[in-house]
Amino acid sequence: AQSVTQLDSQVPVFEEAPVELRCNYSSSVSVYLFWYVQYPNQGLQLLLKYLSGSTLVKGINGFEAEFNKSQTSFHLRKPSVHISDTAEYFCAVSDPPRYSTLTFGKGTMLLVSP
Amino acid sequence: NAGVTQTPKFRVLKTGQSMTLLCAQDMNHEYMYWYRQDPGMGLRLIHYSVGEGTTAKGEVPDGYNVSRLKKQNFLLGLESAAPSQTSVYFCASSYRGQAYNEQFFGPGTRLTVL
Repeated sequence: AQSVTQLDSQVPVFEEAPVELRCNYSSSVSVYLFWYVQYPNQGLQLLLKYLSGSTLVKGINGFEAEFNKSQTSFHLRKPSVHISDTAEYFCAVSDPPRYSTLTFGKGTMLLVSP
Repeated sequence: NAGVTQTPKFRVLKTGQSMTLLCAQDMNHEYMYWYRQDPGMGLRLIHYSVGEGTTAKGEVPDGYNVSRLKKQNFLLGLESAAPSQTSVYFCASSYRGQAYNEQFFGPGTRLTVL
C-alpha cells in the first residue's frame, strides 16, 4: 500500500521568510500527487497537484511544488510567507490502477510569526 | 452552490449510543468519501462511494457503516459508539475518482464519545 511521509510535524518561520515543507511517498509507480491546506476549524482545500508534465507545479497563494521521481519527493515551497499562511498542510498521493482514493500524510503545521 | 455540507457540526455521545452523520453535496459529483482526522494521524479514509447505491471500504472501516441511497447524500453510521471513535469527521466529494478531479471537503463534524 502507498504511504506518504511528511518529515516535519511543525515548521515555525518568520513572516516574509522562505519555507519548504517536505513530502516523500513510497511507491515508484506512476502516481498523482497533491498538497492540501487546512486553515483552523475548516475543511481541506486543494493548493496544487501534479499529474504529469513539468515537474514544477504552481498553485494558489504563491505556493509551488517540485516533483522528483528519483527521490520520490514532492516538496512544497513558498519564497515569502505571510501570517495568513499559518495552517496545516497535507501531502497526498493517488496511485494506480484506479486512482480513486487519496492517501494522506500526517500533516505539517506551518506557524508564521511576525 | 453550498458545496459540501455536513450535519451536525458537533455531537457528544455516550459509549454504546448510535448516530448518523449526513453529508450532502450539490455539485452532482459521482464520488463521495468519509474521512476521520485525529491529531498527528492526518486524514484516514473510512468508506467511499463511486456512485449511487455503491460503497467500498477504506483504510479504517471497522465500527462504521455507510449508505448512498441518493447521489447527493452519503451517510456515515456508528451503530455502537466507542471512545476510540472520538474524532473530527470530514466528508468529501469529487466529480470522478480520476485524480484530476479534486476532492472538495465539507467543514467537518466534531464527535466526542464519552
